[in-house]
Amino acid sequence: QKEVEQDPGPLSVPEGAIVSLNCTYSNSAFQYFMWYRQYSRKGPELLMYTYSSGNKEDGRFTAQVDKSSKYISLFIRDSQPSDSATYLCAMIGSDDYKLSFGAGTTVTVRA
Amino acid sequence: GAVVSQHPSRVICKSGTSVKIECRSLDFQATTMFWYRQFPKKSLMLMATSNEGSKATYEQGVEKDKFLINHASLTLSTLTVTSAHPEDSSFYICSALVSGPAYNEQFFGPGTRLTVL
Repeated sequence: QKEVEQDPGPLSVPEGAIVSLNCTYSNSAFQYFMWYRQYSRKGPELLMYTYSSGNKEDGRFTAQVDKSSKYISLFIRDSQPSDSATYLCAMIGSDDYKLSFGAGTTVTVRA
Repeated sequence: GAVVSQHPSRVICKSGTSVKIECRSLDFQATTMFWYRQFPKKSLMLMATSNEGSKATYEQGVEKDKFLINHASLTLSTLTVTSAHPEDSSFYICSALVSGPAYNEQFFGPGTRLTVL
């Protein structure tokens, strides 16, 4: 069993739709949960991170963490074609320096 | 945010040759850098942790003699793929570690696409 599970998709939605992405994990030591966006043939860029359980909102993006269920989510509202990318979840413990990544979900937003 | 560059962005080489990829932290010093490998439509696979002034730490299954890592300064780490073969063709990404007040954040480079003919 992988430490972080993420459905690779692909996921295709029409412009304006809500995109829902999620990951599950097994290591209860993880404290920080990140979502990265990776465009084709580029390095990952950090979208947002959340500490422990709770919600965090940044513009059209909302990240949720449920540590009791070991489940994290990313929602993209009013999706745009420019949101088309691969979204990777990642997580890390408080004193760790190695990230544990999900497989990444490829999202296409159709104009 | 911190900027990390990689050079070259793309390289094509013949089988049997060695290829060097550079990873630089442009506006900060990084004691620790990481090297990842990514196959098409797959996640990032950590290959090794590069520590300035000391030997790199390799992940299980990664051949240290094939993937040579040198971290000679606080702003530069290099990955040399020795005697490259077609199966080494991949997207190589580096990151630099910045210790923050919350957690140890990694800033990623843009990646290097290696194609071995």
